[in-house]
Amino acid sequence: DIQMTQSPSSLSASVGDRVTITCRASQSISSYLNWYQQKPGKAPKLLIYGASSLQSGVPSRFSGSGSGTDFTLTISSLQPEDFATYFCQQSYSNRRPYTFGQGTKLEI
Amino acid sequence: EVQLVESGGGLVQPGGSLRLSCAASGFTFSRYWMSWVRQAPGKGLEWVANIKHDGSENSYVDSVKGRFTISRDNAKNSLFLQMNSLRAEDTAVYYCTRDDCSFASCFQGSWGQGALVTVSS
Repeated sequence: DIQMTQSPSSLSASVGDRVTITCRASQSISSYLNWYQQKPGKAPKLLIYGASSLQSGVPSRFSGSGSGTDFTLTISSLQPEDFATYFCQQSYSNRRPYTFGQGTKLEI
Repeated sequence: EVQLVESGGGLVQPGGSLRLSCAASGFTFSRYWMSWVRQAPGKGLEWVANIKHDGSENSYVDSVKGRFTISRDNAKNSLFLQMNSLRAEDTAVYYCTRDDCSFASCFQGSWGQGALVTVSS
């Protein structure tokens, strides 16, 4: 199975900061990389798919980049509602299994 | 609006069985692959299984192979997860999700609210 490693595991930041979260795959996954946001007690929400495509309704301060094995999620100017946990997920391996990274908790 | 509503969670003893259901609405259920994703308390996300739109194909994460069975009833817009030989490490919130695919990737585009399964004596 393809392993996904996120860094950092946690991150402290302030409103207005620019933040970058990294995800690395154990083998090349082309651009088959998705990002999700999860708030406490809630289901995850899709932010980015295909490494850089913004899901409808997601603010433009979120962006994704990368291909192959290294990917980044960037939040250009943190808002109070962005403090949450972020997960990457690969979907390269043709529907089996779609592994997730371990998560990055973004805290004030 | 896409809605996914899980049910059937609860407390079960190790070695026991439980069947989760997911009622889907707001989209043509029979056209989509569907998945189950779980999250142990305080932990990350784990993709568990998925099933083709017509039920003819499925896949499982290694840790549940031979114990869990994913199925669907397109006539009733419902997804199921039969869980047998449950272990403490299966304790988690189980999410029903719809698989969406674009030219760029496949992803879990819609999620239910989750059903808590607790395996404990």
